[in-house]
Amino acid sequence: GNSVTQMEGPVTLSEEAFLTINCTYTATGYPSLFWYVQYPGEGLQLLLKATKADDKGSNKGFEATYRKETTSFHLEKGSVQVSDSAVYFCALSEWNQGGKLIFGQGTELSVKP
Amino acid sequence: GAGVSQTPSNKVTEKGKYVELRCDPISGHTALYWYRQSLGQGPEFLIYFQGTGAADDSGLPNDRFFAVRPEGSVSTLKIQRTERGDSAMYLCASSKGGGLAGVGMTGELFFGEGSRLTVL
Repeated sequence: GNSVTQMEGPVTLSEEAFLTINCTYTATGYPSLFWYVQYPGEGLQLLLKATKADDKGSNKGFEATYRKETTSFHLEKGSVQVSDSAVYFCALSEWNQGGKLIFGQGTELSVKP
Repeated sequence: GAGVSQTPSNKVTEKGKYVELRCDPISGHTALYWYRQSLGQGPEFLIYFQGTGAADDSGLPNDRFFAVRPEGSVSTLKIQRTERGDSAMYLCASSKGGGLAGVGMTGELFFGEGSRLTVL
């Protein structure tokens, strides 16, 4: 079956550090890939997405590239801020499953000033 | 406030009791999803509605769990004979469409803040 695996957290960084959160997936078809973010006390919200191989999703300084050959969708940001502290979830959706998302276990990011 | 609304935000009940959790999706969104999230884990899919019908209920853990969406808008997740293992955050999400009509959907789901269920 389809699944998503993320690097374990928590990840603690200093402000302005470089961030990478690894995500790999297993899928039977050709999924779309997503990063969702959950800020403290808020609901999950879409951060970025990519729908085909070599697509790069980007938003708020975050980027992730859909790598079909390595089945990966790693999240990166060049310079993190304290306000980026949140839990990040990688997810996939198959084209024929009605938008149903399969999530990874989440990676907590804590950015210190 | 046009977001997804979930009530109650917090529910504490005793083992064996019946619980209902309500979700009010974004107006005009035809697809509605229920997820369950345990502490430190990612959301796990429970059930998905396209309009009034359950298009995929493969994630419901057993027959104590049931969900309805009678008019294609508000949905209720019902849990009978609650057990301590049912304690979790229950998330609802909606999107503009899904299922066969939504093949190739972007997968942008809009989530509510969740209902935290605690079974004592």
